[in-house]
Amino acid sequence: DVKVTQSSRYLVKRTGEKVFLECVQDMDHENMFWYRQDPGLGLRLIYFSYDVKMKEKGDIPEGYSVSREKKERFSLILESASTNQTSMYLCASGGQGHTEAFFGQGTRLTVV
Amino acid sequence: DAKTTQPTSMDCAEGRAANLPCNHSTISGNEYVYWYRQIHSQGPQYIIHGLKNNETNEMASLIITEDRKSSTLILPHATLRDTAVYYCIVREYNFNKFYFGSGTKLNVKP
Repeated sequence: DVKVTQSSRYLVKRTGEKVFLECVQDMDHENMFWYRQDPGLGLRLIYFSYDVKMKEKGDIPEGYSVSREKKERFSLILESASTNQTSMYLCASGGQGHTEAFFGQGTRLTVV
Repeated sequence: DAKTTQPTSMDCAEGRAANLPCNHSTISGNEYVYWYRQIHSQGPQYIIHGLKNNETNEMASLIITEDRKSSTLILPHATLRDTAVYYCIVREYNFNKFYFGSGTKLNVKP
């Protein structure tokens, strides 16, 4: 079974803190994605990576950065957390071509 | 840009087939149709995808119209555990991103 593992299920951070959300996949997938999900707004793509050290902005990259130093790991970084970044964060990975993407269980981040 | 239109919600009786429609009238020739579902507080789960032929797997069937402007996901015998939000997604073959729309909330009732 494909596994996409997010490091935390629930996280509470203070405004201004630097926050790291980690995601690891075990299927040797080239592509990895970070989404956030908010009520009424659905899933919105923040960043994705198509190879080690390669990244592209999604629809809402402002306030976020990413790191992909190894193929299996994709990190989302909130440089200075703000309350409007309180959300559910979902990581996904997928292969090339017309293949499916697999999602982790999500990290519910609360910034206070 | 989600490129798909789905009803906001649907009800289905347990044990009956659930037919979830999706309109994708602007789909182009190299774009695939994917279906995912999300059960409350979990990550989205892949169900099925196709290009132009009908597809079936252990979870569901996907029926794509001949002009490819719409599709229907069929859950043959819905159970209470199928209650979820179902997302229809159009994705270009060489384009890696998945864009999710609002989805359909399927309520399976006893």
